[in-house]
Amino acid sequence: MLTQPHSVSESPGKTVTISCTRSSGSIASNYVQWYQQRPGSAPTTVIYEDKQRPSGVPDRFSGSIDSSSNSASLTISGLKTEDEADYYCQSYDSTNQGVFGGGTKLTVL
Amino acid sequence: EVQLVQSGAEVKKPGESLKISCKGSGYSFTSYWIGWVRQMPGKGLEWMGIIYPGDSDTIYSPSFQGQVTISADKSISTAYLQWSSLKASDTAMYYCARREGNSKVDFWGQGTLVTVSS
Repeated sequence: MLTQPHSVSESPGKTVTISCTRSSGSIASNYVQWYQQRPGSAPTTVIYEDKQRPSGVPDRFSGSIDSSSNSASLTISGLKTEDEADYYCQSYDSTNQGVFGGGTKLTVL
Repeated sequence: EVQLVQSGAEVKKPGESLKISCKGSGYSFTSYWIGWVRQMPGKGLEWMGIIYPGDSDTIYSPSFQGQVTISADKSISTAYLQWSSLKASDTAMYYCARREGNSKVDFWGQGTLVTVSS
């Protein structure tokens, strides 16, 4: 129900955007969260409720939704090598069940 | 400081039962949902279900309904995930996470690795 690209790569200092497309229902009907998972570590929340940043998350991370493409996006600017991780989008379906995207591996090279 | 501390790694045999825990501290445990998430080896995150310790309201993902039991003991600020009969396919890392209201997941436990092997 939430589709992400399998992988993306970009150079340090550049900007990358990861998409999350909802296949059924409106992307705007339920909030979208984004999680970062570094290898061997638990996930951490980088964006909640479409575009809000938890305290401690740098403003290089931003979230948005686009109703025309029925998708959410996570944008990371000023890429650092420490941003290399798996990123997952998450939302809820029409029955309020949580659902994750398949995850996107970000390589910073 | 908000913390979710999960119980340690487990190695079990198929058919055995298991209960893992997630202890919350630094906040009002009964005012936030606790969700459980599975991550099989080399795979992505899967939403299993969620419980509101305040009234024990529990919602299971259809894929996990009947396969696991989620519970909570608010007197000790602890949520649980349990199996009555483990299978090899239950081998995974399991995470608990705190959710505020209907959407905001903000804190995660460190994970509990469950290995089921004969």
